[in-house]
Amino acid sequence: SAVISQKPSRDICQRGTSLTIQCQVDSQVTMMFWYRQQPGQSLTLIATANQGSEATYESGFVIDKFPISRPNLTFSTLTVSNMSPEDSSIYLCSVPGRTRGAEAFFGQGTRLTVV
Amino acid sequence: GENVEQHPSTLSVQEGDSAVIKCTYSDSASNYFPWYKQELGKRPQLIIDIRSNVGEKKDQRIAVTLNKTAKHFSLHITETQPEDSAVYFCAASIGAAGNKLTFGGGTRVLVKP
Repeated sequence: SAVISQKPSRDICQRGTSLTIQCQVDSQVTMMFWYRQQPGQSLTLIATANQGSEATYESGFVIDKFPISRPNLTFSTLTVSNMSPEDSSIYLCSVPGRTRGAEAFFGQGTRLTVV
Repeated sequence: GENVEQHPSTLSVQEGDSAVIKCTYSDSASNYFPWYKQELGKRPQLIIDIRSNVGEKKDQRIAVTLNKTAKHFSLHITETQPEDSAVYFCAASIGAAGNKLTFGGGTRVLVKP
């Protein structure tokens, strides 16, 4: 599987501020994905980060709230903008497996608490 | 879009017994069904997966079965051990590079020694 480094691992932020989460992969991947895991809940896909084009957002998620960058095939960022306590979640990036492609492997996650 | 239902939400078993978790999906085009184990404070880890051209797959104490007609798939853990205690998620996706995954709600498994 790919080695995925996600930063920061956790943060406590004031409401109204923004936080940018970084995801670095040790090999080039065509697609990177961002998920949210609210406390005690399952994972929900936020968006697909496409290299060279705008991210594709899932229903209920918008670019103004969760802007995404994908400057190259090994790196992506997710920004959580104008945060409120409801944004307190774990945010995870995900990339395909190297060998078979369909598997998804996850970064260690960013545990965000908004106060 | 795809919808994945997972049952039960919690499961308590005695060490050595078997555990079964069931999932149903809505989109007949889904063709890839992974299972993830998430321990407290850690990332989800892929433990087994199955593709739509296979009905059953086994890896040591874990096995997954798929019924495409009924659109449901199940995870079976035999001879459970305390280290199997975790939250398990099923998921479904479409396509070869389809890790645009739709997850079930999760099952919290507790294995009592």
